[in-house]
Amino acid sequence: QKEVEQNSGPLSVPEGAIASLNCTYSDRGSQSFFWYRQYSGKSPELIMFIYSNGDKEDGRFTAQLNKASQYVSLLIRDSQPSDSATYLCAPGPSGGSYIPTFGRGTSLIVHP
Amino acid sequence: NAGVTQTPKFQVLKTGQSMTLQCAQDMNHNSMYWYRQDPGMGLRLIYYSASEGTTDKGEVPNGYNVSRLNKREFSLRLESAAPSQTSVYFCASSSQGNYGYTFGSGTRLTVV
Repeated sequence: QKEVEQNSGPLSVPEGAIASLNCTYSDRGSQSFFWYRQYSGKSPELIMFIYSNGDKEDGRFTAQLNKASQYVSLLIRDSQPSDSATYLCAPGPSGGSYIPTFGRGTSLIVHP
Repeated sequence: NAGVTQTPKFQVLKTGQSMTLQCAQDMNHNSMYWYRQDPGMGLRLIYYSASEGTTDKGEVPNGYNVSRLNKREFSLRLESAAPSQTSVYFCASSSQGNYGYTFGSGTRLTVV
């Protein structure tokens, strides 16, 4: 089973700052990762997918994957109070039977 | 609207009672999953169905049974509810490949 570790937080940042969320993983075979956002009392929603080393940008969000160091990160630029949520990372399929495993998530609080 | 529909949204059971949580998706996804989410524990996989006609145990299957009724529907049954099964239950579905998961809105279950 693929293990992923996340700091539970909470991570508190001021509005307008860059929020940096990190996830480390144990399976060197993991080729891709998903980032999900979960608002309190709601279900997770997919916000980013990255499958190669380097950066992937989508609006204010940038996902970074470093396979050599086995970590994946999510940067949120110009953080807004509406970004306050728990962020979950999960490895994507890497061949064979795929059993999705999620990190426990990092709670992000963006204060005005 | 396309997506994953879970019923019921809320349920209170007495210890020893049984119930079935229903899940249906209309996205023609092959794979479906049942997770439970508890504070501090993240999302834990109970059972999954990689394709119609197959089901497999996840991380925490004890006390649960599942049925993949057809490609659209995947139900979760608690035969004899216990207070330890108090949780939020999420159903999710995915297609093959790196497309992530779509989650239902969840069922908040309390066992007293």
